[in-house]
Amino acid sequence: DIQMTQSPSSLSASVGDRVTITCRASQSISTYLNWYQHKPGKAPKLLIYGASSLHSGAPSGFSGSGSGTDFTLTISSLQPEDFASYYCQQSYSIPYTFGQGTRVEIK
Amino acid sequence: EVQVLESGGGLVQPGGSLRLSCAASGFTFSSYAMSWVRQAPGKGLEWVSGISGSGSSTYYADSVKGRFTISRDNSKSTVYLQMNSLRAEDTAVYYCAPHSSGWVGYSSGWDVWGQGTTVTVSS
Repeated sequence: DIQMTQSPSSLSASVGDRVTITCRASQSISTYLNWYQHKPGKAPKLLIYGASSLHSGAPSGFSGSGSGTDFTLTISSLQPEDFASYYCQQSYSIPYTFGQGTRVEIK
Repeated sequence: EVQVLESGGGLVQPGGSLRLSCAASGFTFSSYAMSWVRQAPGKGLEWVSGISGSGSSTYYADSVKGRFTISRDNSKSTVYLQMNSLRAEDTAVYYCAPHSSGWVGYSSGWDVWGQGTTVTVSS
């Protein structure tokens, strides 16, 4: 199975900050990497697919990059509604696996 | 509008069984694979199982293999997850989500999710 490792596991940031979350795969997954936002009691939301494609409906302040084993999710200017948990997920091979999540909290 | 609605969760004793349902609408159900994903309390997301659009191919996470069975009824646009020999560690919110093709092995991310159904395994 492909292991996905996110860092950091949590971070505190202020509204307007630029935030970067990284995700590393245990083997090359090309660009088969997706990012989700998840808030308590809500369904997860797809933000980025194919490592760098912004899903329609996702805010434009989100962007993704990377290929192979190393990936990044960037929030250009943190908004109040962005405080949530973020997960990367590889769709390269079954079983699909997620990173452990990054919790973004208000500083 | 593409929608999925999970149901069937509840409280069950260890060793017990439960069947979850996921009713879909707004798309040609038989053309799309479906997956179940869960989140245990305080934990991250975990893919559990997937089934092809035709229902002929099924896949499972090692953590549930041999205990859970995924199936679908395309005439009812519904996918099921039969959960047997339940353990405390199966306690979670269970979500279903459609793939972007009929093949479980292809996924460009899950962009439609239900609100989930809660399964609690406890004596």
